[in-house]
Amino acid sequence: DTEVTQTPKHLVMGMTNKKSLKCEQHMGHRAMYWYKQKAKKPPELMFVYSYEKLSINESVPSRFSPECPNSSLLNLHLHALQPEDSALYLCASSPLGTGIGGNQPQHFGDGTRLSIL
Amino acid sequence: QKEVEQNSGPLSVPEGAIASLNCTYSDRVSQSFFWYRQYSGKSPELIMSIYSNGDKEDGRFTAQLNKASQYVSLLIRDSQPSDSATYLCAVNSGGGGNKLTFGTGTQLKVEL
Repeated sequence: DTEVTQTPKHLVMGMTNKKSLKCEQHMGHRAMYWYKQKAKKPPELMFVYSYEKLSINESVPSRFSPECPNSSLLNLHLHALQPEDSALYLCASSPLGTGIGGNQPQHFGDGTRLSIL
Repeated sequence: QKEVEQNSGPLSVPEGAIASLNCTYSDRVSQSFFWYRQYSGKSPELIMSIYSNGDKEDGRFTAQLNKASQYVSLLIRDSQPSDSATYLCAVNSGGGGNKLTFGTGTQLKVEL
């Protein structure tokens, strides 16, 4: 079990549906992340929130809409997705600020496996 | 373009042997280096963080960093079948946003 909780674990949706992925952490981390991972590929960063504000958007299509309601929660709203958006969606969190000599490590949730029909 | 490179493998080692996983990175100002283990169908799990040149040991795992050569490695001693997974090297170049660049991962197979 991880300290970053993602729901749902699996999601199947049609291209016209609207759904949301949820992520919650109670480690007091002030940075939260969304990644997309396709099979046999590394995670690809989508969004970064720092102190509940969007700090990085990696040119993600607008059909993906992130939201950070508070310091513990991160949502990813999905609308009009395409079949190629089928993937494992990972949420991660980390402390902000530097550790010894560098940035703090990110801790991942178990992910949501998304299938677009 | 900041790059992190790993051999994709599979790297096969017999049970009880030392597995050596290697990673090179292109951005000289990189400050933080991480190794994640990912089992098939699961999420990445942090194994080691290393920030300074030299070795860092944690149980059966040793991370080695050489910033001059832009090289980071992970040694797994007494390899077990349960170590069979994909190992992802991740590099953080500092600055704002704590952005990680991942290598493509090395698949490790520990054989009985």
